[in-house]
Amino acid sequence: AQSVTQPDIHITVSEGASLELRCNYSYGATPYLFWYVQSPGQGLQLLLKYFSGDTLVQGIKGFEAEFKRSQSSFNLRKPSVHWSDAAEYFCAVGAEPGGSYIPTFGRGTSLIVHP
Amino acid sequence: GAGVSQSPSNKVTEKGKDVELRCDPISGHTALYWYRQSLGQGLEFLIYFQGNSAPDKSGLPSDRFSAERTGGSVSTLTIQRTQQEDSAVYFCASSPLAGGTDTQYFGPGTRLTVL
Repeated sequence: AQSVTQPDIHITVSEGASLELRCNYSYGATPYLFWYVQSPGQGLQLLLKYFSGDTLVQGIKGFEAEFKRSQSSFNLRKPSVHWSDAAEYFCAVGAEPGGSYIPTFGRGTSLIVHP
Repeated sequence: GAGVSQSPSNKVTEKGKDVELRCDPISGHTALYWYRQSLGQGLEFLIYFQGNSAPDKSGLPSDRFSAERTGGSVSTLTIQRTQQEDSAVYFCASSPLAGGTDTQYFGPGTRLTVL
């Protein structure tokens, strides 16, 4: 069964600092990987996704993520964090067509940004 | 264009009462999911609809929970004889194809409080 681990429950960074949120997955084949962001009181919004091809994926709001098959990881990065990036971030793993149609979400990482 | 909408945005009910939560997915999206998010927790899958196929109910926590999707569009999640542990934010998401391989578009959620 597929699974996702986000080892950090909370991350605190200063505005302008770089950011990396960790995500590790378990899946037997090539996964479909997603990062979603949830601002307070809102639903989830897609930041970026990886299906195939270039392992460095660019997303919205200046975020990027890198798929590393050897490490089963899909970490999210941003070179300079803005106060508006404070939110909850969820990593999710899907499946190839024909596999499970139910994506699995991690528990989320809460990002706190200090001025 | 219009996104996923959910109603009501907030629902306060007394223990033992029945509640109905509504989801209007994006027009043309064949896949529809219900999740719930308890305070400080990640997303818990509840049920999945794909086109006219029988729904995947594997995530429903008890037989007090049921859902239907009429005409392949609007969906209603019903919780009978509500309990305090049902208090959570309930999210609906739709996707053009199957969410395991496709982006999910989330509604703003319905916050359910059971007194």
